[in-house]
Amino acid sequence: AQSVTQLGSHVSVSEGALVLLRCNYSSSVPPYLFWYVQYPNQGLQLLLKYTTGATLVKGINGFEAEFKKSETSFHLTKPSAHMSDAAEYFCAVSAAAGGTSYGKLTFGQGTILTVHP
Amino acid sequence: GAVVSQHPSRVICKSGTSVKIECRSLDFQATTMFWYRQFPKQSLMLMATSNEGSKATYEQGVEKDKFLINHASLTLSTLTVTSAHPEDSSFYICSVWAGGPYEQYFGPGTRLTVT
Repeated sequence: AQSVTQLGSHVSVSEGALVLLRCNYSSSVPPYLFWYVQYPNQGLQLLLKYTTGATLVKGINGFEAEFKKSETSFHLTKPSAHMSDAAEYFCAVSAAAGGTSYGKLTFGQGTILTVHP
Repeated sequence: GAVVSQHPSRVICKSGTSVKIECRSLDFQATTMFWYRQFPKQSLMLMATSNEGSKATYEQGVEKDKFLINHASLTLSTLTVTSAHPEDSSFYICSVWAGGPYEQYFGPGTRLTVT
């Protein structure tokens, strides 16, 4: 079984400030972890993913996330927010091995990021 | 990454009628596609896994006779909402998956409104 918890349904930052979106996961098998961004009435776009190897992963638009197994976390950060970063962000987990959950994404509740001028 | 399209982008139908939503993988042969439903201000919920050439597998609580899925080719999966009711109004999103550590690529979604 898998689950994802995103702490904070809304996060508001000023332009140029640090962005930190929190994600904790639960998985009975080694996980693959993803962050997706969704703009209103659109599908999802991948920001970054962790599968194996380096635990600090870099994605598009200056975002990065660190996989911390001991904390079961995969928090998303960006050093300096831009107005165009305003959107909804989803953390997701899938199973890295076979079984009924293989390949299936379980999403967190989403975090709406607002960026103020 | 893969380019995924959905048609229509928006559809309004009357209660009791059926509506078909198409999901196309434009540049990638997808043996596996997924269908999700997203209610307003909520997250995506997996409805079913669509496998080319075989029956779809549905998540618990999703009525397979109401949400008919056909994955007849490596580039096309369809979701038919039969006997639609207002509570079926939602944003339906499909994705394609290459397997393994690869990410899913999502379509732009279809907004269904049942009146």
